[in-house]
Amino acid sequence: EAQVTQNPRYLITVTGKKLTVTCSQNMNHEYMSWYRQDPGLGLRQIYYSMNVEVTDKGDVPEGYKVSRKEKRNFPLILESPSPNQTSLYFCASSLRGQKTTNYGYTFGSGTRLTVV
Amino acid sequence: QKEVEQNSGPLSVPEGAIASLNCTYSDRGSQSFFWYRQYSGKSPELIMFIYSNGDKEDGRFTAQLNKASQYVSLLIRDSQPSDSATYLCASSGGFKTIFGAGTRLFVKA
Repeated sequence: EAQVTQNPRYLITVTGKKLTVTCSQNMNHEYMSWYRQDPGLGLRQIYYSMNVEVTDKGDVPEGYKVSRKEKRNFPLILESPSPNQTSLYFCASSLRGQKTTNYGYTFGSGTRLTVV
Repeated sequence: QKEVEQNSGPLSVPEGAIASLNCTYSDRGSQSFFWYRQYSGKSPELIMFIYSNGDKEDGRFTAQLNKASQYVSLLIRDSQPSDSATYLCASSGGFKTIFGAGTRLFVKA
């Protein structure tokens, strides 16, 4: 089954304790992205990756890091989480055509993160 | 700041009616437009994408794009209670995709 797998689904952590949310896709998609979803604000892009070793900032990258060492994996790293990073996080991947044509995302199941 | 605007709703329609969802976008460089459906507590699911001006139909869904007016819409014919969800509009230009905050749709049986 074609899917994007995120782990963990739920995470409660304390301020300042480094954490990693994993994301893996089995569709051989070149493009992957991380979003956070907050009530009233919708989905906001954190980081994206066009291919292995190629990443760039989205609209809300502060406090986050990513890496893309393999095509299938795109982990999200919070080096020193703070309460304002409490949110619902989604990883997504998509097939891209020429000239950045976007065929739409497949989303992971989400990770609900609480930082206390 | 590039934006995608949607009415938050809720939009309430009776079962069997046509539901009409709208959004506007600010980035004239946007090339691709999407509608996602998100059930409560679930992840967004792609239901339609459109690149060219005009209408695109897929089953009960029709997406409409007007680039001159920077306007995208989604029509859901013969609405069913199972269509009750939040519908997210998104635009994509280059490597970024921007989402609207979503419109909640409620279909009354």
